[in-house]
Amino acid sequence: SAVISQKPSRDICQRGTSLTIQCQVDSQVTMMFWYRQQPGQSLTLIATANQGSEATYESGFVIDKFPISRPNLTFSTLTVSNMSPEDSSIYLCSVAGTGYNEQFFGPGTRLTVL
Amino acid sequence: GQSLEQPSEVTAVEGAIVQINCTYQTSGFYGLSWYQQHDGGAPTFLSYNALDGLEETGRFSSFLSRSDSYGYLLLQELQMKDSASYFCAVRDAAGGGNKLTFGTGTQLKVEL
Repeated sequence: SAVISQKPSRDICQRGTSLTIQCQVDSQVTMMFWYRQQPGQSLTLIATANQGSEATYESGFVIDKFPISRPNLTFSTLTVSNMSPEDSSIYLCSVAGTGYNEQFFGPGTRLTVL
Repeated sequence: GQSLEQPSEVTAVEGAIVQINCTYQTSGFYGLSWYQQHDGGAPTFLSYNALDGLEETGRFSSFLSRSDSYGYLLLQELQMKDSASYFCAVRDAAGGGNKLTFGTGTQLKVEL
């Protein structure tokens, strides 16, 4: 298993600003995943972050809006840029276990945009 | 693309058995997972089925039929703490088999 921490745990932001979310894992992992979960909804994958290469974004998500950094094998950041109220969600990072049959999730960052 | 359907809500009484179904459409199927998420918490892994049949882990069991593109999570001896949202998720060939697509989620309410 993996222990994952995220900062901040929650934030309230003004529209038009940006927020960077940090994700730290207690072990080295090849891939880290960033999800968005809107209130009462399922998890939607934003992008997959690999160390040493550009993140791979899912349909509907673009790098200009959600830039991702992956400077080493235990850390990643997701920035939510030029925020609007529609960006109000929980943002979760996760890593895969051995064999990719299971994923371990961080506690999430609850973002409210006013 | 992928799609997964689950009932939105299930209600059961403490001590009972409940089954949460999941039907999926995908290509290059690898396996079906189940996750539990309490309000305000992170999703936690429950089970993974790659082959047809039933996998049992304590009070929870998970079933898969690849030919029917169908699976279910069975919770026995329900407890109040089982009240949570449950998500099925497929691992498939998209993205090289390294990512998950989550279902719509089922909110389970356990009552006295």
